[in-house]
Amino acid sequence: QVQLVQSGVEVKKPGASVKVSCKASGYTFTSNGISWVRQAPGEGPEWMGWISAYNGKTNYVQKFQGRVTMTTDTSTRTAYMELRSLRSDDTAVYYCARDLGIEWELLGILDSWGQGTLVTVSS
Amino acid sequence: DIVMTQSPDSLAVSLGERATINCKSSQSILYSSNNKNYLAWYQQKPGQPPKLLIYWASTRESGVSDRFSGSGSGTDFTLTISSLQAEDVAVYYCQQYYNTPFTFGPGTKVDIK
Repeated sequence: QVQLVQSGVEVKKPGASVKVSCKASGYTFTSNGISWVRQAPGEGPEWMGWISAYNGKTNYVQKFQGRVTMTTDTSTRTAYMELRSLRSDDTAVYYCARDLGIEWELLGILDSWGQGTLVTVSS
Repeated sequence: DIVMTQSPDSLAVSLGERATINCKSSQSILYSSNNKNYLAWYQQKPGQPPKLLIYWASTRESGVSDRFSGSGSGTDFTLTISSLQAEDVAVYYCQQYYNTPFTFGPGTKVDIK
């Protein structure tokens, strides 16, 4: 079965960077893209962007442009999301999720999710 | 960006009764060339990630109970839980994937009365 396993809790100071990993199993990694979604405490989910595991193509939400980088390592079936210049309002649970789009297609239906990584930004 | 709204914010329903959640998009999310509504529903229980229930507004994800059904078109959509069970207590979100950035509604909390 499809499984996405994320890295553990992170505590960062304002201005720092965080890199969250997402290891996939149970399907052909390059067949689908990975979206990153965050959820602040008590809030609804917020889509941050997507990367194709097939060709590395990305689509970032404009509000994160310049601060976020999404990458994949097909040899280890792992996706990464790095967020820089962290602020207190970046405190959230960050999720990776498999997109049902095939290869380079961004579809937006998220059928399998990682367990989430809590990132706390505090001085 | 397409803004998604949901109503009510929360509802409490007796076990075995019907629960109905509404979702509205700020513009039509019906793509005319394929006649598909780009709308998904997710269920989220405390401490868990969202779980996909419905996509294309009315297609149930594999393994999801047939108690859950989706309907609607254009800008107005509904998620119905036909006979509420204890395990259905959760927050439910709608999401549009018609345009990037994909956006979620604020959620509807479902509890047992």
